[in-house]
Amino acid sequence: GAGVSQSPRYKVAKRGQDVALRCDPISGHVSLFWYQQALGQGPEFLTYFQNEAQLDKSGLPSDRFFAERPEGSVSTLKIQRTQQEDSAVYLCASSPGWAPRDYGYTFGSGTRLTVV
Amino acid sequence: GENVEQHPSTLSVQEGDSAVIKCTYSDSASNYFPWYKQELGKRPQLIIDIRSNVGEKKDQRIAVTLNKTAKHFSLHITETQPEDSAVYFCAASRRGGSEKLVFGKGTKLTVNP
Repeated sequence: GAGVSQSPRYKVAKRGQDVALRCDPISGHVSLFWYQQALGQGPEFLTYFQNEAQLDKSGLPSDRFFAERPEGSVSTLKIQRTQQEDSAVYLCASSPGWAPRDYGYTFGSGTRLTVV
Repeated sequence: GENVEQHPSTLSVQEGDSAVIKCTYSDSASNYFPWYKQELGKRPQLIIDIRSNVGEKKDQRIAVTLNKTAKHFSLHITETQPEDSAVYFCAASRRGGSEKLVFGKGTKLTVNP
């Protein structure tokens, strides 16, 4: 595709609900990142994939957060039993190479999650 | 782990003036420093980056400087225009591992016509 596509664009969840956020990276991009951006803050790293392998999940805030990329393309970030502090914009970024610094990151427009 | 501090949090300038945003980082192994521009409700977009083997890089009205000894880097925008108004984020990463970016908290730049 022309860019990194994320869906839904907006999601309102009741506290305790499970949500699934989708990221379609640019076709052929090897590396995929998830970041969480709270209101008025910079993005914070959540997790990183190279193809289907999740190489770093050190940023996931709790075991309620789970990410997968089973076929090395589309990725899903799942949040179980959502809480108010999970409210944020969730950004996905992809890169064509093994070393994103050499090829640049392309961010998606994000999913704005509001937990009420 | 890495920590990136960014100042100021807000910056207001008159059209045509220069704007400077400064960041410091804590991890001496960091060696890649990108700057992103984010307009309201939109995705972060890379505007310039610098690697630790150079001290300065320019792209038209935008420049970035890096002082590895002091562990700080700065974004300079000259001849500012209203369309430069946005939130700017600095970031740092180190080679190896996930190459994740550690971002500063952002600077909201307003360019007044």
